[in-house]
Amino acid sequence: AQSVTQLGSHVSVSEGALVLLRCNYSSSVPPYLFWYVQYPNQGLQLLLKYTTGATLVKGINGFEAEFKKSETSFHLTKPSAHMSDAAEYFCAVTRTGANSKLTFGKGITLSVRP
Amino acid sequence: ETGVTQSPTHLIKTRGQQVTLRCSSQSGHNTVSWYQQALGQGPQFIFQYYREEENGRGNFPPRFSGLQFPNYSSELNVNALELDDSALYLCASRGTGYGYTFGSGTRLTVV
Repeated sequence: AQSVTQLGSHVSVSEGALVLLRCNYSSSVPPYLFWYVQYPNQGLQLLLKYTTGATLVKGINGFEAEFKKSETSFHLTKPSAHMSDAAEYFCAVTRTGANSKLTFGKGITLSVRP
Repeated sequence: ETGVTQSPTHLIKTRGQQVTLRCSSQSGHNTVSWYQQALGQGPQFIFQYYREEENGRGNFPPRFSGLQFPNYSSELNVNALELDDSALYLCASRGTGYGYTFGSGTRLTVV
C-alpha cells in the first residue's frame, strides 16, 4: 500500500520569500512522485515528477523538489514566492505497472502575502 | 496535444437519480482514470481503464461504474446518487510514461 502525508493544511508566506511544502510518502516499492497544483474551480496541473534518475527535479513556474529516499520525502520548494503561486498543492505517489494509480495527500493551501 | 476535456462542467442532481460524466482523453493515451475530490480533500481514486478494460478500482461501491471507448473517450456512471456523492470528479489520462494529464473536472451537486 502507498500513502502520502502532507503536514499542515495551510502555509502562508510573504511575496519574495522561500516556499517550502512538505511531503512524506510510504511505499513498499520504488515510488514515482508528483506535485500537482490546483487553482480555484480548476483541475490539477502537473508541476513536476520524479520517476528515476536525478533526485533533484525541476518543474514549471520555478518550483523544484528533491527525492530523498532515506527520509521518504519529496518536499517542494521555490526560492521566491509570487502572488500567482497562491493555490492548493497536492503531493502524489504511484508505482510502476500498467494498473498503477495515483495516491494523493490531503493538500496544502499556499497563501502569499503582499 | 488536445489535453483532457470533461463535460459537463457543473451538474445538479437529485438524490436517487443517475448521472453520466464524460471525458475525452489525449489522443494516444490508452489509460484513463477517474478520481473523486470532496471539498477540502485530495482526489480519491475511483477506477482505471486500459484499452477499454478496467484494470484497477478504488474503495468505491459498484454503483460507480465506467466505460472506455476506442476513440479515447470515457464515461463515469453513478447510480442511486447520495448526498455524499457531491464532489469534483476528475478524469486523468496517461500514455506510455507516467505523466498523468487531468481535465478541469465536473462539479456534481446532489440535493
